[in-house]
Amino acid sequence: QVQLVQSGAEVKTPGASVKISCKASGYTFTTYHMHWVRQAPGQGLEWMGIIKSTGDITIYAQNFQGRVTVTRDTSTSTVYMDLSSLTSDDTAVYYCARELPSSFFFDYWGQGTLVTVSS
Amino acid sequence: QSALTQPASVSGSPGQSITISCTGTSSDIGTYDFVFWYQQHPGKAPKLIIFGVSNRPSGISDRFSASKSGNTASLTISGLQAEDEADYFCISYTTSTTYVFGTGTKVTVL
Repeated sequence: QVQLVQSGAEVKTPGASVKISCKASGYTFTTYHMHWVRQAPGQGLEWMGIIKSTGDITIYAQNFQGRVTVTRDTSTSTVYMDLSSLTSDDTAVYYCARELPSSFFFDYWGQGTLVTVSS
Repeated sequence: QSALTQPASVSGSPGQSITISCTGTSSDIGTYDFVFWYQQHPGKAPKLIIFGVSNRPSGISDRFSASKSGNTASLTISGLQAEDEADYFCISYTTSTTYVFGTGTKVTVL
């Protein structure tokens, strides 16, 4: 069965970076895009970016340009999201979610990773 | 890219129908039929309930229906049940090849 298993909760200080992993299983990793979405406490969902199934194309939301980097390791079927220059506003649950190319929707989601930014 | 606009909350009694609107612009909902709806229960990951404006994934109740007109998409839940109490989010693909979520709607079953 399809599973997206994310790394555990993180606590970071302002100005630091965080790198979250999303390990995929149960499907052919290289045939799906992977997105990152976050949700601040009690708030809505915010799309952050995508790495395409080919692995060579990434697109980021304007709000995160220059601060976010999404990469992947096909040998371990893992996608990574690196967010730098953290502030308290980055405290949120971060989700990975997969998309079948050209479907435009996210059908499976990871369990979420809580990142807390606090001094 | 500003978030799509949804009502903060909608409520209804069991058995009733409710409709949630999702208003965007000509750069997102108005241009594409790539509008989706997600249901999210507290502490859980979002769950896809509508794709491609009005299609339901396998296993989703036919009490959920959706449509789109111009820059506004709508989700209707008919025969409201206690289990429908959750947050609902719309999301649209955009002309910038990015995605934008709605602000979210909390559905309360009275």
